[in-house]
Amino acid sequence: NAGVTQTPKFRVLKTGQSMTLLCAQDMNHEYMYWYRQDPGMGLRLIHYSVGEGTTAKGEVPDGYNVSRLKKQNFLLGLESAAPSQTSVYFCASSYGGYSYNEQFFGPGTRLTVL
Amino acid sequence: AQKVTQAQTEISVVEKEDVTLDCVYETRDTTYYLFWYKQPPSGELVFLIRRNSFDEQNEISGRYSWNFQKSTSSFNFTITASQVVDSAVYFCALSEAGNFGNEKLTFGTGTRLTIIP
Repeated sequence: NAGVTQTPKFRVLKTGQSMTLLCAQDMNHEYMYWYRQDPGMGLRLIHYSVGEGTTAKGEVPDGYNVSRLKKQNFLLGLESAAPSQTSVYFCASSYGGYSYNEQFFGPGTRLTVL
Repeated sequence: AQKVTQAQTEISVVEKEDVTLDCVYETRDTTYYLFWYKQPPSGELVFLIRRNSFDEQNEISGRYSWNFQKSTSSFNFTITASQVVDSAVYFCALSEAGNFGNEKLTFGTGTRLTIIP
C-alpha cells in the first residue's frame, strides 16, 4: 500500500517551459487535491477534484491546469512556467465528501523555475 | 470566510521541556472540523488529530494533548517532555462542514518547532 505518490520529486524548469506533475493514490479515495507550499504562507489549495472526471478551482488556480481522467490519478500541469511558480507542490487525497475526513499527503515535488 | 492563524512562526525549546503551539481560527459555520498536521524534515505531512466543533473535550495521546476552546476560537497543541524527534513544522487547519461538495482545508502558516538536545 503506497498511499499517495508523486512524480517527479525534483524538477528545474526554465521560464516558459511546460511540465506535468503526476499524483497517484491507491486508497480508492474520491477526493484529490493539489497544494503549493511557500515559506511563511502555509499550504494553499491550487485545484481539487471530488471524483473521476471532475475538477474545481482552489485558492490559487492561475497558471495551472488539472485533469482527473482516472480515479487514482490527478495531474497538475504548468503550461508556461514562471519564476513565481517556484514552490513545493503537495498532492493529497481523502476518502469522501465530508469535512471531517483527514487528507493523506504525498511526499511533495520541489519545483524551481529559473 | 474561514481563516487560521498560527502566530508563532518559530519556537525553540530544550529537550524535555513542555511546549504549546497556538492556533486561532475564524469561521461563520457552527459545524466545523479542526486538524493538526506534522511536517517533519522529510517533508511529508502527517495527520495528528481531528476535532469537531461540538466536542470540546481535551484530548491526550501519549505526550501530545490538545485544548479546544470555542469561547476563544482556539485549538492549542501541547507537547509534554519534548524530544528531538518532535522537531518539525506543525500546521493547524480548519474545514467547514457547510460546504458539501466543496470541502476544503484552510491551513495556518505553520509553526517551526526545534527541540535542542
